[in-house]
Amino acid sequence: EDQVTQSPEALRLQEGESSSLNCSYTVSGLRGLFWYRQDPGKGPEFLFTLYSAGEEKEKERLKATLTKKESFLHITAPKPEDSATYLCAAFLSYNTNAGKSTFGDGTTLTVKP
Amino acid sequence: DTEVTQTPKHLVMGMTNKKSLKCEQHMGHRAMYWYKQKAKKPPELMFVYSYEKLSINESVPSRFSPECPNSSLLNLHLHALQPEDSALYLCASSQESRGTDTQYFGPGTRLTVL
Repeated sequence: EDQVTQSPEALRLQEGESSSLNCSYTVSGLRGLFWYRQDPGKGPEFLFTLYSAGEEKEKERLKATLTKKESFLHITAPKPEDSATYLCAAFLSYNTNAGKSTFGDGTTLTVKP
Repeated sequence: DTEVTQTPKHLVMGMTNKKSLKCEQHMGHRAMYWYKQKAKKPPELMFVYSYEKLSINESVPSRFSPECPNSSLLNLHLHALQPEDSALYLCASSQESRGTDTQYFGPGTRLTVL
């Protein structure tokens, strides 16, 4: 069964305290691994797409990496405005016409000033 | 511009009502999606439209009826819903639906069924 697991479930950091979020996946036919940020009551905001093991992408204080079994979202010197739920999703080939997504449960990050 | 718009933002309906949710994108995307998200849970895929044809239906109850009038619009018709259907309904779009294409989400419609 295709599965995406995120850890930790919740993470509290002090401002400036760097850390990493983990997304492990067991899927067949992975086409892409996506990271989203979601604020309460809003739709997910796209952050990164990773397609192959060894790939890395950066945006401001965030850096996403991908291996054959997991992805990490590294947060360097976080600020309170980085507080949100971070979702990872594996997109698979479902049939010749469509891809299908499997989301992890998310990591809720709280950054205290 | 990577904007997906959804209307209404909030909707309260009774179990006997018929209502519709609307989604629009002008990015030229050929795939559009409906997701349901309960509180503190990830989005759950409901439907996928690819080139205006229904490609994936995740065994969603028939009280939810999707419609894709054209490549820019996606509707979700609601009828005889149950209180447990209360959730945030998210629309998304992507260039194609191959699984490698980034999905861009709208802000969602917060649905409450009384």
